[in-house]
This record gives sequence, C-alpha cells and structure tokens, in this order.
Amino acid sequence: GQSLEQPSEVTAVEGAIVQINCTYQTSGFYGLSWYQQHDGGAPTFLSYNALDGLEETGRFSSFLSRSDSYGYLLLQELQMKDSASYFCAAPMIKAAGNKLTFGGGTRVLVKP
Amino acid sequence: DVKVTQSSRYLVKRTGEKVFLECVQDMDHENMFWYRQDPGLGLRLIYFSYDVKMKEKGDIPEGYSVSREKKERFSLILESASTNQTSMYLCASSSGFSYNSPLHFGNGTRLTVT
Repeated sequence: GQSLEQPSEVTAVEGAIVQINCTYQTSGFYGLSWYQQHDGGAPTFLSYNALDGLEETGRFSSFLSRSDSYGYLLLQELQMKDSASYFCAAPMIKAAGNKLTFGGGTRVLVKP
Repeated sequence: DVKVTQSSRYLVKRTGEKVFLECVQDMDHENMFWYRQDPGLGLRLIYFSYDVKMKEKGDIPEGYSVSREKKERFSLILESASTNQTSMYLCASSSGFSYNSPLHFGNGTRLTVT
C-alpha cells in the first residue's frame, strides 16, 4: 500500500516561517506534490518534486529526500492569507494518469 | 484557466436514494477523478477515468459507481445512499500521463445523507 503522514495542525504568527513535514511509505515512488486548500475552496496545486532537493516558488519552497522518504513544504514570510490546509500527495505506482494518494492534511493557522 | 464545475454545492438526500453527482471540465483533459474528503483522512480516491467509457477503482469504490460517456463529463453515482456517505465530494481533472501533471479540482459537493 501507500501512505503519507503529516502533522494535523500548525499555528504561527505573521512573518514567521512554517515547515510542514510529510513522510511517506510506498512500494514505488514517482515524486511528491503539495496542494493548498482554503476553507470552503478547492485544493490548488502548489509544487511537485521529482528529484531530491529544494524547489522554490516565491515564498513557498518544497523539499524532497528520497533516501529518507521525507519531504516538506516551507512557508516563509507568513501572511494571513496563508491560513489554509496543506496536503502532500504522491502518484500511485504503475497507474495511468496521475492518480494521487493524499496525506491527511495540515491545517495552518496564521495569527496576527 | 481550467475550470472544473460540479453541479451542486450542497445536497441533502435520504437513506436509500440513488444520488448523482455531476462534474464537467472545459480543458479537454483525459483524466478525471472523484475524491472524497473527510476531516483527518485527507482526500481518498473513489474512482478515476483516463478515457471515455474507461474507469478504474480507487481506494474506496464500495457503494459507488461512475459513468463517463463524454470526455468532459464524469458522474459519480451512489446506488443506495447511506449515512456513512455523508461527506465532501471533490471532482478533479488532469491532462496526459505525466506524474507531474497537476490535478485541477472543482469546488466540491457537500452531501448529507439523512
């Protein structure tokens, strides 16, 4: 099977840095994606890491270590609008199309 | 921008009813998905389709069926709704067969079965 574990909730203040960890167990691995979902909204794609290392997109960065079966999403210079749930996700093995297995989600609460 | 439209935002049905959830995408995507979202459990895949009339079971297909008669439309069917199917249902689409092809989600249908 395949599973992804992430913390359920993180609280931080505006301007701070938050790291959301994701550990995974799969019998095969094809990269790690991150999605953001605001309350009442649709999940939206943030990033995808196929290879080890850090990918930076503005204030958000995503990191992958295949040897440690671990990745994280880094949110820098936190803003109130970053309050949302964040999901890590990985493609299922040997599957046509991009079937993703999702982690349980991390709710990020940004306080003033 | 890709648009994935789900026909209902909120739906209330009675136990035993047959329920249809409709999803339409406007970007000619090959792949379409139905996920169920419950607190603490993340998103769980019910069914997906990578072509018209093709379907594959996801992780939790029991009690559900799907239909894809046209490329842009993917329907989720609850044959006989039960209270444990009360949930948020999310439809998504993606293009091609690349693992980095992002999923585009609709806004969801919150279904309550009483």
